[in-house]
Amino acid sequence: AQSVTQLDSHVSVSEGTPVLLRCNYSSSYSPSLFWYVQHPNKGLQLLLKYTSAATLVKGINGFEAEFKKSETSFHLTKPSAHMSDAAEYFCVGNTGGFKTIFGAGTRLFVKA
Amino acid sequence: EAGVAQSPRYKIIEKRQSVAFWCNPISGHATLYWYQQILGQGPKLLIQFQNNGVVDDSQLPKDRFSAERLKGVDSTLKIQPAKLEDSAVYLCASSSSGQLNTGELFFGEGSRLTVL
Repeated sequence: AQSVTQLDSHVSVSEGTPVLLRCNYSSSYSPSLFWYVQHPNKGLQLLLKYTSAATLVKGINGFEAEFKKSETSFHLTKPSAHMSDAAEYFCVGNTGGFKTIFGAGTRLFVKA
Repeated sequence: EAGVAQSPRYKIIEKRQSVAFWCNPISGHATLYWYQQILGQGPKLLIQFQNNGVVDDSQLPKDRFSAERLKGVDSTLKIQPAKLEDSAVYLCASSSSGQLNTGELFFGEGSRLTVL
């Protein structure tokens, strides 16, 4: 069975410090993996995606993620948090182009 | 390129009333999804269409929820009668199909429903 697990429901960082949001996946097939961000009262916006090309993926707003097959992970990182990064982040997997699986979400708090 | 359009953005109704939400996907996107997102939770798939056919409606409460995509373009999600627990944001998303399909979903802004 396919699954996506976000290991932290909440992460709190200080402005200017690194961000790490963790995501593990389980799939029988080579998945496509995505990170989406959702700001309050907004829809979901794509941050970045992995689709079996380069394992280190760069996204918008300074975020990046690395696909590690040996660890079945796709963690989201950013070197320096900004107040505007405070939001809900979803790790999402897709196998075969039809079945989309959402992680439970990680809420990122950024302290001044 | 125009994004996914949804309306209305906000709706407040009393329980047992009915409500309908509309979604127009990105032009050319064959796959359309309706998600329900309850406050503090991740999106839950209600129904997925491929063109005008249903691919997955296993989590749609069919006694009160219905959805259609008659011409394979825009879609309507209806709730009748509404219950208090239906208060949520209803997100519409679309994706392309074929060999270039990576599974990336494009989301609308959502329709926030409050049932009193």
